[in-house]
Amino acid sequence: NAGVMQNPRHLVRRRGQEARLRCSPMKGHSHVYWYRQLPEEGLKFMVYLQKENIIDESGMPKERFSAEFPKEGPSILRIQQVVRGDSAAYFCASSPFDTQYFGPGTRLTVL
Amino acid sequence: QQPVQSPQAVILREGEDAVINCSSSKALYSVHWYRQKHGEAPVFLMILLKGGEQKGHEKISASFNEKKQQSSLYLTASQLSYSGTYFCGTERNRDDKIIFGKGTRLHILP
Repeated sequence: NAGVMQNPRHLVRRRGQEARLRCSPMKGHSHVYWYRQLPEEGLKFMVYLQKENIIDESGMPKERFSAEFPKEGPSILRIQQVVRGDSAAYFCASSPFDTQYFGPGTRLTVL
Repeated sequence: QQPVQSPQAVILREGEDAVINCSSSKALYSVHWYRQKHGEAPVFLMILLKGGEQKGHEKISASFNEKKQQSSLYLTASQLSYSGTYFCGTERNRDDKIIFGKGTRLHILP
């Protein structure tokens, strides 16, 4: 049973470009969570999704950020018009119900 | 409400014990513990549920005091491989989001 997969592992974007981060949950897991982590800091909750539904997006910035988890395919975290402050590691986690299992993360660098 | 972890950092010699604490100002459904090594993903250690028992295996265990909304992670006879940052995460209700603390950095010296 493959673990949570994220791609790309590293992403470099220039200011103003779009970043798309993908997360494939573990087989059988219907819950996906996205977190952002800055260097030497904790994991900040962004959004919680189930298939085709956003359950909680209280941690998402109001502008430029969006997330989806379609019926088929991976969950996508999309950042439009990236700025330098968006540089961080973005982790997704999937869960069958209680325990969350993390993917390896995508390290986004905005030049 | 972000849980508060203490201490922020610990330095131990191999074989020594450590306790990491996690407290919340709100009633909790569960507490989750993770360890993260530099540049890697957080790895699940254990979950403690409201009304559940103390968890653990061999040298890593944890407790959850529901009345005080506190959890403690116990590392016994620490090994070099225990080095990393430990995060507690709290859940107020089942199927709620997990809010993580800022982490406790543990460094084990040989």
